[in-house]
Amino acid sequence: EIVLTQSPATLSLSPGERATLSCRASQSVSSYLAWYQQKPGQAPRLLMYDASNRATGIPARFSGSGSGTDFTLTISSLEPEDFAVYYCQHRSNWPFTFGPGTKVDIK
Amino acid sequence: QVQLVESGGGVVQPGGSLRLSCAASGFTFSSYGMHWVRQAPGKGLEWVAFIRFDGSDKYYADSVKGRFTISRDNSQNTLYLQMNSLRAEDTAVYYCAKDYSNSNWFDPWGQGTLVTVSS
Repeated sequence: EIVLTQSPATLSLSPGERATLSCRASQSVSSYLAWYQQKPGQAPRLLMYDASNRATGIPARFSGSGSGTDFTLTISSLEPEDFAVYYCQHRSNWPFTFGPGTKVDIK
Repeated sequence: QVQLVESGGGVVQPGGSLRLSCAASGFTFSSYGMHWVRQAPGKGLEWVAFIRFDGSDKYYADSVKGRFTISRDNSQNTLYLQMNSLRAEDTAVYYCAKDYSNSNWFDPWGQGTLVTVSS
């Protein structure tokens, strides 16, 4: 089973600041990595897939990069609605796994 | 638009069984794989099971293999998760999710149904 680790666990930033979230895989997942956003009391939603592709309706301030074992989700300028928990997930092989999440909260 | 509505959650004793349902609408259900993902209270996400669009292939997380069964009824646009031999650690919100473009990404998700395993 591929283990995903995310850092930092919590990121405290102000609106308008840049957020950089990291996801590392225990072995190569090629570009088979996605990012999800989850707000309190809501289901997650897909933000990025295949490492760098934005899902339908996702604003351009979200971008993803990386391949192999190291990936980054960047939010160029935080909007109030972006404060949430972010999870990475791979689909390289079964079973699919998620990272433990990074909470982006308001500083 | 795509809508997924889970039902069937509740409180069950350890060792008991429960069947979850996920009613799908707004897309051609029979053309897409479907997943179950769960989230224990205050914890992260755990993928549980997948079923291919026609039911021909199924995959499970090791933690539920042999106890849970995923199935679907394409004539009723409904996904199921039969959960047997339930344990306290199965307590979670269970989400169904559509396979995004048949690529094994999850989107969208339903609102979830809570399963509590407790005596």
